[in-house]
Amino acid sequence: EDQVTQSPEALRLQEGESSSLNCSYTVSGLRGLFWYRQDPGKGPEFLFTLYSAGEEKEKERLKATLTKKESFLHITAPKPEDSATYLCAVQAYTGRRALTFGSGTRLQVQP
Amino acid sequence: EAGVTQFPSHSVIEKGQTVTLRCDPISGHDNLYWYRRVMGKEIKFLLHFVKESKQDESGMPNNRFLAERTGGTYSTLKVQPAELEDSGVYFCASSQDPVGTEDTDTQYFGPGTRLTVL
Repeated sequence: EDQVTQSPEALRLQEGESSSLNCSYTVSGLRGLFWYRQDPGKGPEFLFTLYSAGEEKEKERLKATLTKKESFLHITAPKPEDSATYLCAVQAYTGRRALTFGSGTRLQVQP
Repeated sequence: EAGVTQFPSHSVIEKGQTVTLRCDPISGHDNLYWYRRVMGKEIKFLLHFVKESKQDESGMPNNRFLAERTGGTYSTLKVQPAELEDSGVYFCASSQDPVGTEDTDTQYFGPGTRLTVL
């Protein structure tokens, strides 16, 4: 069974204080690993897809990286508007398109 | 471009009643998914439509849940009769098939319907 574990559960940063969120996964053949951002009362908002170990993608202050066992979401010099829950999900090479989600990391960036 | 929309945003019903949730996908997206998050748990897959056909129903919890997608456009998810454990947030997502060098589709989520069963 596919599994996704995210850590930490919650993270509080000062504005400008860089950090990383972790997503460890177990999947029977990774088809894709997805990062989403979710604000309170809203649905997950797509950020990145990573397909293979060594791949990196960037968007503004966010950079996602992938190894064979985990993914990191690096946040550089965060701003208060980066406060949200960050979700990691995997999709396996089973012919199914279902995403398996982790429980998320709640990030709070204080000014 | 309009995103995925869901209706209602919030529904409160009594145990044993029926509720129908609606999802309108992004125009042109053949794939439509239902997910849900129950209290304190992670988001879980329910089912996947390709156009009007059910491609994968493996996440549907039991036969009290019925999903339809008439004409391959909008979808409804009916819960009948509702139980207390059905409370949670129901998300719909849609995607188009992979294009170019993409290996898989990107699923875009709606805002969710918060269902409360009393």
